[in-house]
Amino acid sequence: AQKVTQAQTEISVVEKEDVTLDCVYETRDTTYYLFWYKQPPSGELVFLIRRNSFDEQNEISGRYSWNFQKSTSSFNFTITASQVVDSAVYFCAPISGQGGKLIFGQGTELSVKP
Amino acid sequence: GAGVSQSPSNKVTEKGKDVELRCDPISGHTALYWYRQSLGQGLEFLIYFQGNSAPDKSGLPSDRFSAERTGGSVSTLTIQRTQQEDSAVYLCASSHAPGTGSSPLHFGNGTRLTVT
Repeated sequence: AQKVTQAQTEISVVEKEDVTLDCVYETRDTTYYLFWYKQPPSGELVFLIRRNSFDEQNEISGRYSWNFQKSTSSFNFTITASQVVDSAVYFCAPISGQGGKLIFGQGTELSVKP
Repeated sequence: GAGVSQSPSNKVTEKGKDVELRCDPISGHTALYWYRQSLGQGLEFLIYFQGNSAPDKSGLPSDRFSAERTGGSVSTLTIQRTQQEDSAVYLCASSHAPGTGSSPLHFGNGTRLTVT
């Protein structure tokens, strides 16, 4: 069985702090893909990043960085120097099955205060 | 249009009525997905279309829910005899390369359904 866990329900930080969002994906699959989506208060789901299980190279894009460790099934996402506009719910979502459907974690609500 | 379009954006209906929700995917995207987002339930997968076929309907919660897709494009999600627990935001997404992981799902803004 596959299981996506985002243990942090809510995180509150002050602007300019760094924040890391955790995601653990338990699966027997040896090859898989993981996505992070952002859902701001306006409600739309915005794609942020896609990673695959055979690439553990960490990646940085602007203020965002991703740390993937296959051995622990953890796929964490860090925002450096957070801004108020980063306030949103962040979802970790691996692909499940042949059809490419995403299974979503429960989400982490990030609140960045000025 | 450039993105996934859903209509209506909001729908209020009385318990027991039928409703139809429409999704217009990104042009050229062969895969189409319906999800439901409600408080306390997170984002739930409902159904997946590849072309006009639905190889995965595993998320439909009951036989009151059905969906179809025509011409490999527009999809309609129908809920019959609506119940209050059907109140949620219904999200549609499309993708041009399902299952490969190379293409993310692109989501519409959703239809907020309220059953009174």
